[in-house]
Amino acid sequence: QVQLQESGPGLVKASETLSLTCTVSGDSISSYYWTWIRQPPGKGLEWIGYVYYSGSTTYNPSLKSRVTISVDTSKNQFSLRLSSVTAADTAVYYCAASYWASPPSAWGQGTLVTVSS
Amino acid sequence: DIQMTQSPSSLSASVGDRVTITCRASQGISNNLAWFQQKPGRAPKSLIYATSSLQSGVPSKFSGSGSGTDFTLTISSLQPEDFATYYCLQYHVYPFTFGPGTNVDIK
Repeated sequence: QVQLQESGPGLVKASETLSLTCTVSGDSISSYYWTWIRQPPGKGLEWIGYVYYSGSTTYNPSLKSRVTISVDTSKNQFSLRLSSVTAADTAVYYCAASYWASPPSAWGQGTLVTVSS
Repeated sequence: DIQMTQSPSSLSASVGDRVTITCRASQGISNNLAWFQQKPGRAPKSLIYATSSLQSGVPSKFSGSGSGTDFTLTISSLQPEDFATYYCLQYHVYPFTFGPGTNVDIK
């Protein structure tokens, strides 16, 4: 069973770049589409985008100009970079695993990232 | 983007009650609808995909139905561990979009 674990700074300054990594274990990184989802405190869920092991990506248009999702198959990791952050980007960020054209079936525990001014 | 709505936004129920949550899409999404359960401070847990298929390990008290734009999640007999927030997700087109959630709490 695939397992995921997010890691990265919990505090990022406004206008800087948020960077998170998700480490995958328990299954091949070529088996899934690797997804990032976020949840502002007390609010709902927002799908950010995904990367396939080949490097192909799809992003939410609302974030597309600022987001990059990449994969490192040698490390069994994939990453999220979100540039020019503001307080509105403060959220719990989840990494998740999906099959093609399917919803996430496995989730990491989530990591809170706070954007400070 | 496809907009998802849920009703009610919250409900109070008792142990043993049958609970139904509705999710509506702003356009047809075939059967590409999933349901998630989230407890405070925890990651969402996948319950149902393809409108009515249970994820492995999910008890049969959960069931889903619908097609097109209107979907429901039913919990047949609410238990203490079921008090949580429930989200629907359409994965018919990108970007995938979630409903705003339904909070189920104890009456």
